[in-house]
Amino acid sequence: GAGVSQSPRYKVTKRGQDVALRCDPISGHVSLYWYRQALGQGPEFLTYFNYEAQQDKSGLPNDRFSAERPEGSISTLTIQRTEQRDSAMYRCASSFRLAGGPARETQYFGPGTRLLVL
Amino acid sequence: GENVEQHPSTLSVQEGDSAVIKCTYSDSASNYFPWYKQELGKRPQLIIDIRSNVGEKKDQRIAVTLNKTAKHFSLHITETQPEDSAVYFCAASRARAGNMLTFGGGTRLMVKP
Repeated sequence: GAGVSQSPRYKVTKRGQDVALRCDPISGHVSLYWYRQALGQGPEFLTYFNYEAQQDKSGLPNDRFSAERPEGSISTLTIQRTEQRDSAMYRCASSFRLAGGPARETQYFGPGTRLLVL
Repeated sequence: GENVEQHPSTLSVQEGDSAVIKCTYSDSASNYFPWYKQELGKRPQLIIDIRSNVGEKKDQRIAVTLNKTAKHFSLHITETQPEDSAVYFCAASRARAGNMLTFGGGTRLMVKP
């Protein structure tokens, strides 16, 4: 079946602009995660949702970052007033299929959105 | 919070040799330990995982061992092939319905033909 998808795949923006990154999880997956991955490093947790409820946002760097998942499926990560230090790969992952499927801890990653702030 | 350390950062082996990557974690409550393989420009892909009620798990040429007392776990790849060349990440989490993964810094494995 279809995996996790993200859009756009690449985003170039000017400092001070707002950006919205979209994640479409695997159909039926309850949990959705956002991570940020710097070049050559492992993903770092930002926030996650179970259904539409944001369960943990402790990894969001500051209040310019926010996320939502209003209908429990697609999620949007928004960065306001972007800064050059926000440049990174933003990855989404999903897990936990209600009716059968692999163990619920398994997280499947999307292709990421590479954000470049000029 | 959880802290995961991974060693070595780079590993070069000859084709056919074995490769071992080691990770330590700090949170004794962590009970789920996946390993991801990430090829250049690609997304991380789960290759094997282990839960804290198991000491070892094997899948063909790949095995993972877990020592809960010492809080470390290792990835073993036997009979390495050039296509095993990639960056490997270990991770740890408290597994329940959706919980964050804390990743190690990664190991770049190079398998020389």
